[in-house]
Amino acid sequence: EAGVAQSPRYKIIEKRQSVAFWCNPISGHATLYWYQQILGQGPKLLIQFQNNGVVDDSQLPKDRFSAERLKGVDSTLKIQPAKLEDSAVYLCASTPGRNLYYGYTFGSGTRLTVV
Amino acid sequence: KNQVEQSPQSLIILEGKNCTLQCNYTVSPFSNLRWYKQDTGRGPVSLTIMTFSENTKSNGRYTATLDADTKQSSLHITASQLSDSASYICVVTLTSGTYKYIFGTGTRLKVLA
Repeated sequence: EAGVAQSPRYKIIEKRQSVAFWCNPISGHATLYWYQQILGQGPKLLIQFQNNGVVDDSQLPKDRFSAERLKGVDSTLKIQPAKLEDSAVYLCASTPGRNLYYGYTFGSGTRLTVV
Repeated sequence: KNQVEQSPQSLIILEGKNCTLQCNYTVSPFSNLRWYKQDTGRGPVSLTIMTFSENTKSNGRYTATLDADTKQSSLHITASQLSDSASYICVVTLTSGTYKYIFGTGTRLKVLA
């Protein structure tokens, strides 16, 4: 079974620039999550999708972050404009449904550095 | 407040030694507790999962314990290897209306030759 695919693996941008990350979840997984993990901290949920609908985006800084999951499969996360404090690893995860017993499958993440 | 605290924050041990990582949580209602291993530059990978009725779960050299009464869990690593160098994250599933992961901040383990 293929895992959760993310790209790019690394990205370096200057502050005030924009950046986009892509995630392809495991086939058939209805629920998709984007997390932000700052160095030395646990992951922080940014947004949760159920198919192509948003379930929870309460911690997404909506003035600069946006995400979409067209057709309930792939998802993109965008930051515009980026700030220095956005430097982090952005993790995508998917699960078969909203019952978390089966747990997340995480992608390898995208490491963003804002200079 | 639903929180997961881990200790120590970081740990350095010699190859072949054993170590134990701690996780205390205040999450309620609680569904299950997982330990994840996160290698540098990679996403977390699940090691063990325990429900409130399980006391221990093993995965090779990794053994997790759970005391649901005291809300404590531990991850014991036996005969450590260099490849065990990683961050270990304790995650508790909150089931209040919906399912939600509550993440600990992790323990960074370094195994030296």
